[in-house]
Amino acid sequence: DAGITQSPRHKVTETGTPVTLRCHQTENHRYMYWYRQDPGHGLRLIHYSYGVKDTDKGEVSDGYSVSRSKTEDFLLTLESATSSQTSVYFCAIRKEGGFYGYTFGSGTRLTVV
Amino acid sequence: DQQVKQNSPSLSVQEGRISILNCDYTNSMFDYFLWYKKYPAEGPTFLISISSIKDKNEDGRFTVFLNKSAKHLSLHIVPSQPGDSAVYFCAASDLNFGNEKLTFGTGTRLTIIP
Repeated sequence: DAGITQSPRHKVTETGTPVTLRCHQTENHRYMYWYRQDPGHGLRLIHYSYGVKDTDKGEVSDGYSVSRSKTEDFLLTLESATSSQTSVYFCAIRKEGGFYGYTFGSGTRLTVV
Repeated sequence: DQQVKQNSPSLSVQEGRISILNCDYTNSMFDYFLWYKKYPAEGPTFLISISSIKDKNEDGRFTVFLNKSAKHLSLHIVPSQPGDSAVYFCAASDLNFGNEKLTFGTGTRLTIIP
């Protein structure tokens, strides 16, 4: 498999608290992505990264920030969690050398109460 | 603005029959299309893809058809098996501008009835 892990797998947090989700890859790929999955919306891009310290916004970036200080780690932070950010979050990597789509992690289920 | 649409949220098919999942897109710049399969509590996994220079791509029981003039693609699974029960997402990308992002549809939940 592609060697991509997400942590934690499940988290319950209170409204207004900061939350950080971690995505770790073992294969040194340049491109990494954060998506959220919600019923009726499919998968929507939050932020993505095309290298260390190089990140850009996706279609639903409000309320989220990211950091990539090392190739292998891509962190997603909810600065002040809201109930609308209750979702399943997926990290993905893209392999270079042709477009073969993405490889996804197993997801983090986040509940904001 | 949903650029990739899957208008059927769910589909039930008898085992052994053909499953047809549909996807429409609005962005004429999309030139690469993919289908992903997702089981509960797992991440989506890549299933099959097609470039806009083709109108059909086959991989075993899975075939994807692309109709560029209609901005429509479909995934055919034949014969359908119980293990095919999952949520299927279509996705599209515009590679011409080095756009490294995939835009996903809302998903179709396929249930194969034994």
